[in-house]
Amino acid sequence: AAGVIQSPRHLIKEKRETATLKCYPIPRHDTVYWYQQGPGQDPQFLISFYEKMQSDKGSIPDRFSAQQFSDYHSELNMSSLELGDSALYFCASSPRSGGRTDTQYFGPGTRLTVL
Amino acid sequence: GENVEQHPSTLSVQEGDSAVIKCTYSDSASNYFPWYKQELGKRPQLIIDIRSNVGEKKDQRIAVTLNKTAKHFSLHITETQPEDSAVYFCAATFYGGSQGNLIFGKGTKLSVKP
Repeated sequence: AAGVIQSPRHLIKEKRETATLKCYPIPRHDTVYWYQQGPGQDPQFLISFYEKMQSDKGSIPDRFSAQQFSDYHSELNMSSLELGDSALYFCASSPRSGGRTDTQYFGPGTRLTVL
Repeated sequence: GENVEQHPSTLSVQEGDSAVIKCTYSDSASNYFPWYKQELGKRPQLIIDIRSNVGEKKDQRIAVTLNKTAKHFSLHITETQPEDSAVYFCAATFYGGSQGNLIFGKGTKLSVKP
């Protein structure tokens, strides 16, 4: 079965640089969530999209922005990178049925290292 | 907002024994409670979930119970195997309208000794 695809899988950036992470949800899934997971920590919700519109926002820094495109893939743009942004970034997708979101399936993640 | 507490943070059992992980949540509106297993450096994988209209759910060696009154839910793994060793996260959320982001507990590192 098709799964969530994330690219790149690994990314190394210098401080103050920018990064773009991409997420391709499972086919027919219209909702995308982004989570950040620091070493030894639980995943923290950043932002979500439903039908190409932002639906909820968590602890996402103002330096980060995201969007969902017409083909439902999503991109997380990160600017002015800081050392503390080093983490695993997961995208999760779910179908939305009858106004109620269903199970979230996680992608393999992008490991971002900021030097 | 929602807050999820998870205990214990580490759990070591002998192969074949049972393991129990407990979580409490604060928002009585939460209605969906998944459990994820995560191996080092890999994605969280859903192992079982329960919705607020159900008190218990079982899938082979894994079961989850939910007590809505007390606002706590538990994961039970029976006949543990070394491959069950991983970090387990509970989560809670309210599914409705535009919401649905998961609030995770801090995780339980389960070690199953052969």
